Amino acid sequence: AQSVTQLGSHVSVSEGALVLLRCNYSSSVPPYLFWYVQYPNQGLQLLLKYTSAATLVKGINGFEAEFKKSETSFHLTKPSAHMSDAAEYFCAVSRMDSSYKLIFGSGTRLLVRP
Amino acid sequence: DAMVIQNPRYQVTQFGKPVTLSCSQTLNHNVMYWYQQKSSQAPKLLFHYYDKDFNNEADTPDNFQSRRPNTSFCFLDIRSPGLGDAAMYLCATSRDGGLEKLFFGSGTQLSVL
Repeated sequence: AQSVTQLGSHVSVSEGALVLLRCNYSSSVPPYLFWYVQYPNQGLQLLLKYTSAATLVKGINGFEAEFKKSETSFHLTKPSAHMSDAAEYFCAVSRMDSSYKLIFGSGTRLLVRP
Repeated sequence: DAMVIQNPRYQVTQFGKPVTLSCSQTLNHNVMYWYQQKSSQAPKLLFHYYDKDFNNEADTPDNFQSRRPNTSFCFLDIRSPGLGDAAMYLCATSRDGGLEKLFFGSGTQLSVL
């Protein structure tokens, strides 16, 4: 079975500070991994994805994530937070051999302080 | 230009009164998904259509049904909504189930009074 754990339901950073949102996954087969962002009262928007190519993945809005198989992690980072980054972030996993289903983590709400 | 459109944006229904949520897409994608997202929780897959083939998740209540009359439209029917069904309902599409190209609509926020 696959699962995703996001550590920290809320993360608060100052504007300009490093953003680090943690995601660990469990999968018996090679996974696809995703980060999505959700702004209030909106749908989900794909930030970036890992699909077995480069382990360091760059996404939109200056975000990136690194796939670390040994740590079963896929943490999301951004060097300098903007106020506009305040949102809910979801990590998700799917199976490479059965790609129809995304399993989402419980989400991390990012707060950015002026 | 919106590619996955959900109507209405907000829906209020009464306890036990059937309600239908709609989703349309202009992408001509094969696969359409319905997710339920309760407040402060992760989206949870209810079911998906691959073309006309319906795939229900094992833990989706019987109260939830879906119809896909053509490629562009998909409907979520809740036969007898309970208070616990109040949630954001998200529609998503992909071509051939490729999740790297999953497109979400803006969602319908359902309230049950």
